[in-house]
Amino acid sequence: SYVLTQPPSVSVAPGKTARITCGGNNIGSKSVHWYQQKPGQAPVLVIYYDSDRPSGIPERFSGSNSGNTATLTISRVEAGDEADYYCQVWDSSSDHPVVFGGGTKLTVL
Amino acid sequence: QVQLQESGPGLVKPSETLSLTCTVSGGSVSSGSYYWSWIRQPPGKGLEWIGYIYYSGSTNYNPSLKSRVTISVDTSKNQFSLKLSSVTAADTAVYYCAREGATTTTNWFDPWGQGTLVTVSS
Repeated sequence: SYVLTQPPSVSVAPGKTARITCGGNNIGSKSVHWYQQKPGQAPVLVIYYDSDRPSGIPERFSGSNSGNTATLTISRVEAGDEADYYCQVWDSSSDHPVVFGGGTKLTVL
Repeated sequence: QVQLQESGPGLVKPSETLSLTCTVSGGSVSSGSYYWSWIRQPPGKGLEWIGYIYYSGSTNYNPSLKSRVTISVDTSKNQFSLKLSSVTAADTAVYYCAREGATTTTNWFDPWGQGTLVTVSS
């Protein structure tokens, strides 16, 4: 089955830019979605279709996807951005079509 | 604005069946534009997709759980439900219901319910 690989943790200072990667075989051919999960809360969709933002998500959140890596970029990081972030794809060729990455803990220093 | 709310027992004994219901408000499970899904998260771990149901009753399940999972829909109550049989401690998790948007090439989950912790213990 398809595997998505995320770094376990990323640290960034307030006001700086955080980049969280999601690796997968030819992931650039798939649509990638990103979820933010704060402690004790349900995940929230922050990016879908690689780079689209749902209504209510700040423009500071952006996404890109090419080759074997998709990236979630958070600009001007705030303390409130500290959370776990998960990437997700749909693998139509698999009998296990919904695939989540293992998650990345973003720490704001 | 669509909202989802899980309900059901927080404690289930080993070998018994876990049963949860998701109530949808602000939208209809009969909408042909969406699927209705269950996802779980063991304490301190990542997300695991369990399966989805369409308003017509068609389903798709995670192969690793397929033999134990049943998802059903009640359009009259605007609810869908999860049953997981023969549970063990490994099934202890926060269980989320979510609306699943889908096209022919991809899917995504938005919004999610708040989640409900189910503990399997005697």
